[in-house]
Amino acid sequence: AQRVTQPEKLLSVFKGAPVELKCNYSYSGSPELFWYVQYSRQRLQLLLRHISRESIKGFTADLNKGETSFHLKKPFAQEEDSAMYYCALSGRTGNQFYFGTGTSLTVIP
Amino acid sequence: DADVTQTPRNRITKTGKRIMLECSQTKGHDRMYWYRQDQGLGLRLIYYSFDVKDINKGEISDGYSVSRQAQAKFSLSLESAIPNQTALYFCATSDLWGTRTDTQYFGPGTRLTVL
Repeated sequence: AQRVTQPEKLLSVFKGAPVELKCNYSYSGSPELFWYVQYSRQRLQLLLRHISRESIKGFTADLNKGETSFHLKKPFAQEEDSAMYYCALSGRTGNQFYFGTGTSLTVIP
Repeated sequence: DADVTQTPRNRITKTGKRIMLECSQTKGHDRMYWYRQDQGLGLRLIYYSFDVKDINKGEISDGYSVSRQAQAKFSLSLESAIPNQTALYFCATSDLWGTRTDTQYFGPGTRLTVL
């Protein structure tokens, strides 16, 4: 069963436009959700996690348990935001961790 | 983050050859993982290990094997490489957060090409 779904493989927005990368999950109980980012020629790294409730590089993500979503948002996209973004879920036990298939974001100058 | 290193960074090999990719970490984490990344398919888990004596298959373990030589070292082997194993391979480590898998820290990746 697909635990984490990222419906958009590719997303393009213009610089300065709002951006939203969608993530939906399937999990009973209370998951921990993460967003990871991979910039060109760099390693995959954590961008933010829902429990921290912080904004990183202008990005925020709110866990919506009713809609089982954890969409990543930024009000004004920048060229340096162009990257591959992965949504991930960590479940109650250590062997429950799942990555989505990723969304490649391109910010057009 | 130089805490997780992978060798080699690039490798070109021929079909049928045995290949080993190595991963080392200085983060002191018990948990280590091997993923492959393919265009359009995202990140897929090959194997993971929660400690030296605990190794588990992931989503796509066929054609791969692993060895956890020590807490800090986790190697991935392709016993007989085939062209569709051409991909970018990532090692990762994590700690536990309570009973959950915590943030994963990734190595720089190994680009493997099988001709």
